[in-house]
Amino acid sequence: SAVISQKPSRDICQRGTSLTIQCQVDSQVTMMFWYRQQPGQSLTLIATANQGSEATYESGFVIDKFPISRPNLTFSTLTVSNMSPEDSSIYLCSVTGGWGMNTEAFFGQGTRLTVV
Amino acid sequence: DAKTTQPPSMDCAEGRAANLPCNHSTISGNEYVYWYRQIHSQGPQYIIHGLKNNETNEMASLIITEDRKSSTLILPHATLRDTAVYYCIVRDDKIIFGKGTRLHILP
Repeated sequence: SAVISQKPSRDICQRGTSLTIQCQVDSQVTMMFWYRQQPGQSLTLIATANQGSEATYESGFVIDKFPISRPNLTFSTLTVSNMSPEDSSIYLCSVTGGWGMNTEAFFGQGTRLTVV
Repeated sequence: DAKTTQPPSMDCAEGRAANLPCNHSTISGNEYVYWYRQIHSQGPQYIIHGLKNNETNEMASLIITEDRKSSTLILPHATLRDTAVYYCIVRDDKIIFGKGTRLHILP
């Protein structure tokens, strides 16, 4: 299994500012993903963080709003830009250790973001 | 979009088996069925997964129908700590969550 550390665990931010969330894994992983969980809702996939290339975004999410970096196989960041109260959510990092569908994914504990 | 359908909520008495159903009628031949759960304010926790055969581990059993269009997650002896939202997922390259089933364990 992989141990995932997300920082910060929570933050309260002013509207119009940006926050960068870090995801550190204790071992090299193949795939890294970022999710958003709005209050009372299920998880929504934002993007796949690709090592050495631009992230792959899901419908409804754009790079200008959620820029993602993945400089190596153990680390990724998600930035929530120009925040509004609607961005108040839990943001979660997820990783898989291998390719293909027979590989379980592990999740961090999330970053609880409140925008005021 | 999620490829699964689950009841929004279920109750189960403590100590009894909890049987959580999932429909995935559009599953393709090489897609796995995964189950995760999310206890309040925590990240999702992996439970079990399978392709076509029934699977069992220390947490649960997974029963997949022969046509693979539905499955059931079985928690053999539910405890209060099993209260959570349970997600059934048909996995391709990505993990797409549906709305899940909120399981309440009743004392």
